[in-house]
Amino acid sequence: DIQMTQSPSSLSASVGDRVTITCQASQDISNYLNWYQQKPGKAPRLLIYDASYLQTGVPSRFSGSGSGTDFTFTISSLQPEDIATYYCQQYDNFPPWTFGQGTKVEIK
Amino acid sequence: EVPLVESGGGLVQPGGSLRLSCAPSGFTFSRYEMNWVRQAPGKGLEWVSHISANGSTIYYADSVKGRFTISRDNAKNSLYLQMNSLRAEDTAVYYCARDILGAGVLDYWGQGTLVTVSS
Repeated sequence: DIQMTQSPSSLSASVGDRVTITCQASQDISNYLNWYQQKPGKAPRLLIYDASYLQTGVPSRFSGSGSGTDFTFTISSLQPEDIATYYCQQYDNFPPWTFGQGTKVEIK
Repeated sequence: EVPLVESGGGLVQPGGSLRLSCAPSGFTFSRYEMNWVRQAPGKGLEWVSHISANGSTIYYADSVKGRFTISRDNAKNSLYLQMNSLRAEDTAVYYCARDILGAGVLDYWGQGTLVTVSS
């Protein structure tokens, strides 16, 4: 199974800050990577697919990049409504589809 | 409006069974592959099972293989997860999720239904 490792596991930043989360796959997954946002008590929401494509309706301050084993998720200017846990997920080699352990983003 | 609504969760004793349902709305259910994903309390997301649009291809996570059965009834617009031989470690919120590309891109999720396995 492909293991997905996210870092950091949590972070605290100020409104307006640039926030970056990384996700590393245990083997090459090309660009078959998604990013999800999960707010407390809510279902996950797809933000980015194919590593860098923004899902319809998602604000442009969210972006993704990378290929192979190393990926980056960025919030260009953190907003209060971005407080959530973010997960990466690979879909290159399945089953199983595997998620990273999550990164909790908080406001400083 | 949430286009997927799960039901059927609850409290069950270890070794017991439960059947979850997922009712889609607002899209042509029969055209999409579907998944179940779970989240134990305070933990991350774990993919559980996948079913193709016509039900011919099914996958399970090793942790549930042989105990859980995914199925769908396209005529009734419904997705199911039959869970048998439940264990304490199956305690989680179970989400159904639509697969937009048929390969693991989950674009719509239900609100989840809580399954608690405890004596």
